[in-house]
Amino acid sequence: KAGVTQTPRYLIKTRGQQVTLSCSPISGHRSVSWYQQTPGQGLQFLFEYFSETQRNKGNFPGRFSGRQFSNSRSEMNVSTLELGDSALYLCASSWPRTGDYNTEAFFGQGTRLTVV
Amino acid sequence: KQEVTQIPAALSVPEGENLVLNCSFTDSAIYNLQWFRQDPGKGLTSLLLIQSSQREQTSGRLNASLDKSSGRSTLYIAASQPGDSATYLCAVGAGNNRKLIWGLGTSLAVNP
Repeated sequence: KAGVTQTPRYLIKTRGQQVTLSCSPISGHRSVSWYQQTPGQGLQFLFEYFSETQRNKGNFPGRFSGRQFSNSRSEMNVSTLELGDSALYLCASSWPRTGDYNTEAFFGQGTRLTVV
Repeated sequence: KQEVTQIPAALSVPEGENLVLNCSFTDSAIYNLQWFRQDPGKGLTSLLLIQSSQREQTSGRLNASLDKSSGRSTLYIAASQPGDSATYLCAVGAGNNRKLIWGLGTSLAVNP
């Protein structure tokens, strides 16, 4: 069974630009969550999508947005990039049966975004 | 507000040692706890998942315990090997949303 696939693996962007990252979850998984990882802050939750709907959102500005398609693939968009957006962006795939919170999260390799 | 702390932040041991990594959390109302491994510049590999109703989980040389009442989890690595060198992260699932709350990790170096 294929794992979680994130593309691209590396990105270099200029301040003010926008960027779109992609995540393909494990087949059959319906939930995709996004996290930002930086050396100082560790891993921080961005948002979670389930069945094409954003169910939960972390404390990030509106420049960070996402969506999920009918095949469960998800994209994350960051507009008006700032230097502080440089980070490893990780996506996690899980299959939360209704009312069941006890599911394991599987992560992709991440997208390393550098803003210059 | 749930907070997760991992101690120590870094650890260096000779090959063959048994070692314990610690994770503590402030709110015992969790539904699960996961231990992950992260190699430099890479994504996260899930090691063990402990449900809130469980006390421990084992996989090979790894054993993770959970004590909700004291807000603690430990990851025990037996007979450490150089290939175990990585950062180990613990994350708790809490609240009625689906986000994981993370510690900052323990950076482990196993020296041959």
